[in-house]
Amino acid sequence: QSVLTQPPSVSGAPGQGVTISCTGSSSNFGAGSDVHWYQHRPGTAPKLLIYVNSNRPSGVPDRFSGSKSGTSASLAISGLQAEDEADYYCQTYDSSLSGYVFGPGTKVTVL
Amino acid sequence: EVQVLDSGGGLVKPGGSLRLSCVASGFAFSRYAMSWVRQAPGKGLEWVSTFSGSGGPTYYVDSVKGRFTISRDDSKNTLYLQMNSLRAEDTAIYYCTKMAGHPYYSFYMDVWGKGTTVTVSS
Repeated sequence: QSVLTQPPSVSGAPGQGVTISCTGSSSNFGAGSDVHWYQHRPGTAPKLLIYVNSNRPSGVPDRFSGSKSGTSASLAISGLQAEDEADYYCQTYDSSLSGYVFGPGTKVTVL
Repeated sequence: EVQVLDSGGGLVKPGGSLRLSCVASGFAFSRYAMSWVRQAPGKGLEWVSTFSGSGGPTYYVDSVKGRFTISRDDSKNTLYLQMNSLRAEDTAIYYCTKMAGHPYYSFYMDVWGKGTTVTVSS
């Protein structure tokens, strides 16, 4: 069981927006750890989507945005496209575990 | 192009050993921390181990401590994961990753290998 909580799934029609939450605690987000987000399509390598709460690597569309406040973080996807169907994971450092942790993942379905 | 190429997976019996390798290119390997992340069948991503850059310390998830050893040969731009006393629950795709950002509180995985599959079964 992960120390981070994410909804198992979210869905939306093409062109709509969805938001994925990632809830942490005082030993990670509350202790100042940043959140990072990854997109993982089956059969491929995971891809860094958002780093340090809200930064997009080169090549990631601005339809993807991230934020963090207190012990929670979120990833927003606007203008959903079929290619956005994937699993999305949040990740951070947990001081109680002295290691890096991933959320359980959220499956995004484009209806 | 910055990339990492992981290899070495295979089928091994419970209690057996396996060594994974990861060859890096396109960046100053010795300066960067490197990690292994795995995904068991039907499960999410799990951080396994990190080797800090420039000969720094190593870190492991509790479930592999004492059984897995991460190492690196900076002269060969290569990261390793020696896995001993393997269990069925170690069955997973193992990804080699390059770390970026500030250690600990702001570390993330910015480059990923394609993954190598480890199956532990009798």
